[in-house]
Amino acid sequence: DTAVSQTPKYLVTQMGNDKSIKCEQNLGHDTMYWYKQDSKKFLKIMFSYNNKELIINETVPNRFSPKSPDKAHLNLHINSLELGDSAVYFCASSQAGTNTQYFGPGTRLTVL
Amino acid sequence: AQKITQTQPGMFVQEKEAVTLDCTYDTSDPSYGLFWYKQPSSGEMIFLIYQGSYDQQNATEGRYSLNFQKARKSANLVISASQLGDSAMYFCAMSSPRANAGKSTFGDGTTLTVKP
Repeated sequence: DTAVSQTPKYLVTQMGNDKSIKCEQNLGHDTMYWYKQDSKKFLKIMFSYNNKELIINETVPNRFSPKSPDKAHLNLHINSLELGDSAVYFCASSQAGTNTQYFGPGTRLTVL
Repeated sequence: AQKITQTQPGMFVQEKEAVTLDCTYDTSDPSYGLFWYKQPSSGEMIFLIYQGSYDQQNATEGRYSLNFQKARKSANLVISASQLGDSAMYFCAMSSPRANAGKSTFGDGTTLTVKP
């Protein structure tokens, strides 16, 4: 059983397009995150949602908009994609009080 | 602000030997958690071990142990009896539930190569 799943695994698109990445967790966790890992492997948090409510919003362009329809899902929508958005995006989840985060397999986004 | 420092960009170890990956941290929050994650070449992030700031004992999980020295603000990962499958990138991370609403800060990572 996959605990944290992301779709798609690979995403190749043109500059200027709008794309979405979906994330689902079946662990019953109440907090979900989006991270960006750049080509140098640096991992930075982008957003965190707790019980569908945004609690962390790092300095991320407005073109990135997370959406959490329910506790088990946190989707990431990106408008007007730019070359610099090329990276691996990880979704993660945790249970409040533990903060051990379980990561999805990642989505490799390539913007041409 | 929280900060994690991993000073070893790359490490080599002989198969079956033990290796220590260094991690130092900085935070003003009295309550925090420290984590290690493994990222193999396939790309997924795998949780390895957790240490709470108030835990008296060092955390252990199988061949992984966390050498927690609170006064020195260090949380080194020790891997005993290295295996070829341990070759991967290792990230140290911390989170402070109260100060940062669970936000985690990651170090830059250490690439471990296990030699046969």
